[in-house]
Amino acid sequence: SQQGEEDPQALSIQEGENATMNCSYKTSINNLQWYRQNSGRGLVHLILIRSNEREKHSGRLRVTLDTSKKSSSLLITASRAADTASYFCATSAGNMLTFGGGTRLMVKP
Amino acid sequence: NAGVMQNPRHLVRRRGQEARLRCSPMKGHSHVYWYRQLPEEGLKFMVYLQKENIIDESGMPKERFSAEFPKEGPSILRIQQVVRGDSAAYFCASSRDREQPQHFGDGTRLSIL
Repeated sequence: SQQGEEDPQALSIQEGENATMNCSYKTSINNLQWYRQNSGRGLVHLILIRSNEREKHSGRLRVTLDTSKKSSSLLITASRAADTASYFCATSAGNMLTFGGGTRLMVKP
Repeated sequence: NAGVMQNPRHLVRRRGQEARLRCSPMKGHSHVYWYRQLPEEGLKFMVYLQKENIIDESGMPKERFSAEFPKEGPSILRIQQVVRGDSAAYFCASSRDREQPQHFGDGTRLSIL
């Protein structure tokens, strides 16, 4: 099974609401990263949190990391229709990133 | 600064033909990674290269698939004798070093007839 598993698989909210996505993983990591993918496009790097960090902010994004529970969450505040995309967590523990299956977020205007 | 450039964006091949996918990393990046994505799934690691060297190919099928990153020119992912199951989006990413975030291209969508 995959190293990273996102939850929920799909999320639909109204513009202005907050969106929370969770990610669980299985093995020790160096860092955990969140990416966004718009349909038909490549992945855009959003934020990286290292294994010794617990929380990180970037604009409307807030990421938490709990290494004891092997889980991370991504919070998007005051969502916009343009935030509609798939969001992936990826763990780094060597030469590669290991991706989860993603959360498909739809923000309705 | 140009991002990671992949070409072609779409590639159609018949079963048994060869597919060549190209990736030019971002300027200053010497680490290149190839991933494969099936519809509605996350990306799966295939191979990690650093100029002229394959560092990790643990995610790449042992037969028909090969990758290179020559001293001059783009990285190439080569699939020989393609089969229907090779249909997927293939993404390339690059980074300055292993600890830095990977920057992705827009992918090559390979369709096998």
